[in-house]
Amino acid sequence: NAGVTQTPKFQVLKTGQSMTLQCAQDMNHNSMYWYRQDPGMGLRLIYYSASEGTTDKGEVPNGYNVSRLNKREFSLRLESAAPSQTSVYFCASRTGGDSRELFFGEGSRLTVL
Amino acid sequence: QKEVEQNSGPLSVPEGAIASLNCTYSDRVSQSFFWYRQYSGKSPELIMSIYSNGDKEDGRFTAQLNKASQYVSLLIRDSQPSDSATYLCAVRGSGDKLTFGTGTRLAVRP
Repeated sequence: NAGVTQTPKFQVLKTGQSMTLQCAQDMNHNSMYWYRQDPGMGLRLIYYSASEGTTDKGEVPNGYNVSRLNKREFSLRLESAAPSQTSVYFCASRTGGDSRELFFGEGSRLTVL
Repeated sequence: QKEVEQNSGPLSVPEGAIASLNCTYSDRVSQSFFWYRQYSGKSPELIMSIYSNGDKEDGRFTAQLNKASQYVSLLIRDSQPSDSATYLCAVRGSGDKLTFGTGTRLAVRP
């Protein structure tokens, strides 16, 4: 019963390096989300995907790209990392529709030097 | 104006007291409202959801929604030290986007 799995859990990058955060869910959820969380800023939506094959920008999409590879997987890519992208990243998923609970992964702590 | 606003706290209450957490939102078409609890270093977990005006009770937790005034609140009765955490208000507006407030840190004193 894995739920939402994120990898890696920790990563240190140098400015300008690229990396991809992976997220997979095994709950057959339609919607998937990427958030970042910074001290005092709460959770800010980066991108989301309401269904396989669709993606939409959230509040803070600049510097990120996403891919909804299939129904299970939703990846977040940093093409050229910047210190401002140092954060904790959470992937989440839910069934979709009017309500339903948002299930979170354990988070990925990224540090950009 | 932020879409979802919360007082960052910390809100400090003694053990056994009622903790009252508030949240206001700006999008009048918002349909679904959620309260998440987040312990330090952990991911958020859902504790309450509410979709229509009025009160919804679940154990020691009561969520209150007033769409006309655009606010949603969470009451925690008989507060316990284990309730000490950050409480995040989340609002679903049009489409599939969920927007979170910055969270209110609650500290329950033994």
